[in-house]
Amino acid sequence: EAGVVQSPRYKIIEKKQPVAFWCNPISGHNTLYWYRQNLGQGPELLIRYENEEAVDDSQLPKDRFSAERLKGVDSTLKIQPAELGDSAVYLCASSQQGGDGYTFGSGTRLTVV
Amino acid sequence: ILNVEQSPQSLHVQEGDSTNFTCSFPSSNFYALHWYRWETAKSPEALFVMTLNGDEKKKGRISATLNTKEGYSYLYIKGSQPEDSATYLCAFSGGTSYGKLTFGQGTILTVHP
Repeated sequence: EAGVVQSPRYKIIEKKQPVAFWCNPISGHNTLYWYRQNLGQGPELLIRYENEEAVDDSQLPKDRFSAERLKGVDSTLKIQPAELGDSAVYLCASSQQGGDGYTFGSGTRLTVV
Repeated sequence: ILNVEQSPQSLHVQEGDSTNFTCSFPSSNFYALHWYRWETAKSPEALFVMTLNGDEKKKGRISATLNTKEGYSYLYIKGSQPEDSATYLCAFSGGTSYGKLTFGQGTILTVHP
């Protein structure tokens, strides 16, 4: 079974530029999460989807971040414009609705210079 | 704001040593406690999902215990090997954070040959 697939693995951009990350969850997993891990800290939830509906986006900085999950499968997280403080690892995870098991992707390491 | 704390932040041990880390979490409205191992450039790997007070789980040389009444979990590694070097993350779900994981900041383990 393929795991959670994320791309790109690494991204370096200049500040004020846009950037997008893509996630393909495990087939059949209704719930999809985007987490951000800053250096020296644990991952923090940005947004959680149940199918195509964003059910928790309270931690998403909505002035510059946006996300979508078309048809309840793949998801894209966008930052526009990026700031230096956005440098972090962006992790995508998926789980079955109501399930205890979360499967993570390998993340996208973003560096904003 | 939920507080999940891990200690120590980092740990250096010699090959063959046994070691343990601590995760503390809110003791009220507990649902589950997760342990992950995260090696550099890889996906976080689920080690254990623990739900019952007094639970003890084992996977090879790694084991974990859970005390939900006092709000802590221990992760033990017996006879550490260099390949055990990774960041170990615990994550709490429960209360108002049911449906998402609240992570600790992680313990970085380095096992020296």
